This record gives sequence, C-alpha cells and structure tokens, in this order.
Amino acid sequence: GAVVSQHPSWVICKSGTSVKIECRSLDFQATTMFWYRQFPKQSLMLMATSNEGSKATYEQGVEKDKFLINHASLTLSTLTVTSAHPEDSSFYICSARDRDTYNEQFFGPGTRLTVL
Amino acid sequence: AQTVTQSQPEMSVQEAETVTLSCTYDTSESNYYLFWYKQPPSRQMILVIRQEAYKQQNATENRFSVNFQKAAKSFSLKISDSQLGDTAMYFCAFMSDNAGNMLTFGGGTRLMVKP
Repeated sequence: GAVVSQHPSWVICKSGTSVKIECRSLDFQATTMFWYRQFPKQSLMLMATSNEGSKATYEQGVEKDKFLINHASLTLSTLTVTSAHPEDSSFYICSARDRDTYNEQFFGPGTRLTVL
Repeated sequence: AQTVTQSQPEMSVQEAETVTLSCTYDTSESNYYLFWYKQPPSRQMILVIRQEAYKQQNATENRFSVNFQKAAKSFSLKISDSQLGDTAMYFCAFMSDNAGNMLTFGGGTRLMVKP
C-alpha cells in the first residue's frame, strides 16, 4: 500500500519558537494533502487542505498565519507552527491523496508536538 | 455539512467474541464513501474497511464486516473472533464524492479486547 512518512515523530520546543513538520508520500504522487490535529482521547480535526502548487485551504477557526502550510511538490507538504505556545501542544497527523485513487487518504504516523 | 456520530465512547469484548460498533451520519449527498479506521496505541491510522454508498452489498474484510443501511444513514462495524490486537480506537468517517475528498470523522469508540 501507499506509504506516507512524517518527520519528526516527536518534537519538544520552547514557547515562542517555530517548528516545521514534514509530510512525504514515499511511493506515490499526492496532489492533495491534509493536516489534522488530534487532542488526547479525541477525534481528528481537519486543520487544512493543501493542493500542490496552490495555497492551502484552512478550516474555520484555524489561524493561517500561525499554521503555515506549504505543498511545494507532489511528494512533500510542510506544516510550520509559528511562535508556538503551550496550547499548540498536540498530535499532528497528515494524510495524502493519491491522484489515481481520489477517494482514499493514506495517513502518516503523526508528530507529537510539546511546547514548553 | 456532514456529521458523523459514534454513540459508544467505550466498549469491551472478550477475546474470540463478536462486537458491533455503531455509527450514524447525516448528509444530503447521494454519492459518498464510508470508512472505518483503527488507531492503535501507536496512533497510526489504519484503514479497516470502506463502503461505497452506491453499492448495496455490505463490505467485508476477513473478520471485519459492515452493516450499511443507507436509508437509515447507519454504518456499523462488526468484528468477529475478536483478538487482543483489535484493542484500539475506532473511527467512523465520511467522505463526499464532491467536497474535495475531505474526511469527516466521528468522535471515536475505544475498544478493549479482554483475554
């Protein structure tokens, strides 16, 4: 099956710093990637949808200036949490849609962010 | 907007027995897809089973099967011969055929399989 990787798998940073999370599709071309946030014991909440070569579409309530998303190639999307604060601590998951199997998403293993 | 509801926050089942997880959804779409995902302690999302709304036949994958009732907007997951490795969070999810292929997730059901 299609494989999606995320890097790093976990990160600890100081309040006020920026953190970049990478999402890569390893064996397919992903025209669309999705970023989710998951709090402990809760469901996945869609943050934004990114299409290769265009601006990301953010869900209501998600600050686009705080969560910068770039989808510069068909295999890589990045999420940058700018000026991170403790309330940004969460589990971030990306998924990717294969251009050939438009009705299925493949998930990365997630990144645990802890902001001190 | 679509909504997905899982009414059972937690469930438990004895090993080798059968358990059914409930899911209901609300949509005005006619073409859509439904999914069950498993999230074990590793937190990697794993696709368990999927159902296309236009198919009347219920999907089956080994020990996992669904009961898809389109008119009732119900999509339950049955796990037969439960195994310890089935212990996980299970999420029901909806994908419209024309909404950018976004997934809408239910709140999840935590399943514990007891030895």
